[in-house]
Amino acid sequence: GQNIDQPTEMTATEGAIVQINCTYQTSGFNGLFWYQQHAGEAPTFLSYNVLDGLEEKGRFSSFLSRSKGYSYLLLKELQMKDSASYLCAASRDNYGQNFVFGPGTRLSVLP
Amino acid sequence: NAGVTQTPKFQVLKTGQSMTLQCAQDMNHEYMSWYRQDPGMGLRLIHYSVGAGITDQGEVPNGYNVSRSTTEDFPLRLLSAAPSQTSVYFCASSSPGQGAYEQYFGPGTRLTVT
Repeated sequence: GQNIDQPTEMTATEGAIVQINCTYQTSGFNGLFWYQQHAGEAPTFLSYNVLDGLEEKGRFSSFLSRSKGYSYLLLKELQMKDSASYLCAASRDNYGQNFVFGPGTRLSVLP
Repeated sequence: NAGVTQTPKFQVLKTGQSMTLQCAQDMNHEYMSWYRQDPGMGLRLIHYSVGAGITDQGEVPNGYNVSRSTTEDFPLRLLSAAPSQTSVYFCASSSPGQGAYEQYFGPGTRLTVT
């Protein structure tokens, strides 16, 4: 079957570090993606892992372990504007399309 | 560039009516997709296309049709609207030429079926 799990909600303090975990089971796998979605808006791309290891982009990093079906998104130096939902998605085909999305993790950053 | 545009932004339909949600992109992207987003369920893929003339089904294709006659446009047709199709619909596009398969999403269409 196709299944992606991530925590429903998380809370963190401004300036802190937060890790959002994602586990996946999909038939076919060609990459793990993270998107940010503010309330009432469209998702925007954050990061992409196709090989095991860590990808770093400024304050955001993403990690993938294909053997464990596990990824995480690390957000450093949290800012109030990081309050949003974070969507984990797995691509299932060779085109990097045919995505399955997780339910999203709603992150609240408190002052 | 306008990016990905969707029309209409809001729509109310009665059960049994049909309509077409429009999606267009001006980035010359090969790949386009349609998703629906319901509370607590994340995004679910309806149909996608990897090029003009090529479409495939996603996770929840029933009740929806698509066609891709041009690179720019990817309309989604609701054949006979049902209350279960009340949702927010997002169109997205991407291109392997940009390396990371980053999807660009349109602003969404909020559809209510009564």
